[in-house]
Amino acid sequence: EVQLVESGGGLIQPGGSLRLSCAVSGFTVSSYYMSWVRQTPGKGPEWVSVFYTDDYTHFADSVKGRFTVSRDNSKNTLYLQMNSLRVEDTAVYYCARDAFNSNYGWDVWGKGTTVTVSS
Amino acid sequence: ETVMTQSPATLSVSPGERATLSCRASQSISRNLAWYQQRPGQAPRLLIYGASTRAAGISDNFSGSGSGTQFTLTISSLQPEDFAVYYCKQYNRWPWTFGQGTRMEIE
Repeated sequence: EVQLVESGGGLIQPGGSLRLSCAVSGFTVSSYYMSWVRQTPGKGPEWVSVFYTDDYTHFADSVKGRFTVSRDNSKNTLYLQMNSLRVEDTAVYYCARDAFNSNYGWDVWGKGTTVTVSS
Repeated sequence: ETVMTQSPATLSVSPGERATLSCRASQSISRNLAWYQQRPGQAPRLLIYGASTRAAGISDNFSGSGSGTQFTLTISSLQPEDFAVYYCKQYNRWPWTFGQGTRMEIE
């Protein structure tokens, strides 16, 4: 079964760091473009980052320089390292698979993990 | 950044009726637009990409149209499971951006 399972969220103080994981099953994470998308309750989703199959990455301006993405092929897992966290980073974070490796859209999503940045 | 504006914010429709949702881009995005459906407590689900191509497994009850800056999602006959929030998203240029959503409510 094709599945994405996020973990690693929690309550963190401003300025802190968290690493989110996205465990992939049913396909090989290195074979697909993978994105992180976040969403605050009642708001539209916000794209955060994309990790291409050639290891190229791109980030939203709001997180550039603070967040990085990586991939462990042996664990078939995608990661989002979040540093210098801000209150406005509070959201549910989803990982998502690009349906066609073409940027057209994400066909598989995880259930999300909640990050709360608060003092 | 390309700003996506959806209208209306809320649409009240009776089951079986037709619904038309609009999405406008602040600059031309060609046909690089996707539509997603989000039910409460769930992740978004891809419905349409390329402005008009249905994703795998999506009912032909859903159709998309438009290009440039004006786009439409049409649900031809609303089913109970279609009452959800719908988002458009442009992927023409970074950062990829979503609209604020249209909430479909049962009238």
